[in-house]
Amino acid sequence: NAGVMQNPRHLVRRRGQEARLRCSPMKGHSHVYWYRQLPEEGLKFMVYLQKENIIDESGMPKERFSAEFPKEGPSILRIQQVVRGDSAAYFCASSDVNRKATGELFFGEGSRLTVL
Amino acid sequence: GESVGLHLPTLSVQEGDNSIINCAYSNSASDYFIWYKQESGKGPQFIIDIRSNMDKRQGQRVTVLLNKTVKHLSLQIAATQPGDSAVYFCAEKGYQKVTFGTGTKLQVIP
Repeated sequence: NAGVMQNPRHLVRRRGQEARLRCSPMKGHSHVYWYRQLPEEGLKFMVYLQKENIIDESGMPKERFSAEFPKEGPSILRIQQVVRGDSAAYFCASSDVNRKATGELFFGEGSRLTVL
Repeated sequence: GESVGLHLPTLSVQEGDNSIINCAYSNSASDYFIWYKQESGKGPQFIIDIRSNMDKRQGQRVTVLLNKTVKHLSLQIAATQPGDSAVYFCAEKGYQKVTFGTGTKLQVIP
């Protein structure tokens, strides 16, 4: 029973390029969350999605960032025209209906973005 | 609430002693409070949760205490082991999302 799979684990981009981070939730999970973490800091909520719907994007920057969770395939966090301040670890978490109610999330190992 | 540009506080504990990690939360409307453990280079891992209408819940070697009067949450780890060394985050489950608080780094001294 595979856990939450994120790829790539490490991504290096130059300023102005695009970054695409992918997340496959655990089998049977239809709720996906994206968090951002800077070194030695906590996790900052970005977006919560269900299949084909964005439920809460209150933590997403207004520009350059977008997320989707299509009917088929992984969830994608897309960062356009990256800047150095986007360098961080991006974690994806998934949950099923029951565990979502209690806040029990299953996290992937993260994607570490470095912007040169 | 969420940490903003702060280095993590550190708790150093002797192996075999009990650890107590504290957390202040902000949202009285949260219906669940949760503790997560994050080891270096890994994603957070669920430890234990407590519903807002409870004040204590026990798991294996861990106990979570909730004091709604002062909006305080604590995690007690009994007989701390080297494998407990990690960053511990408290989190609140609100209407839709889970919000993480400032973490505490636990260092276990052998």
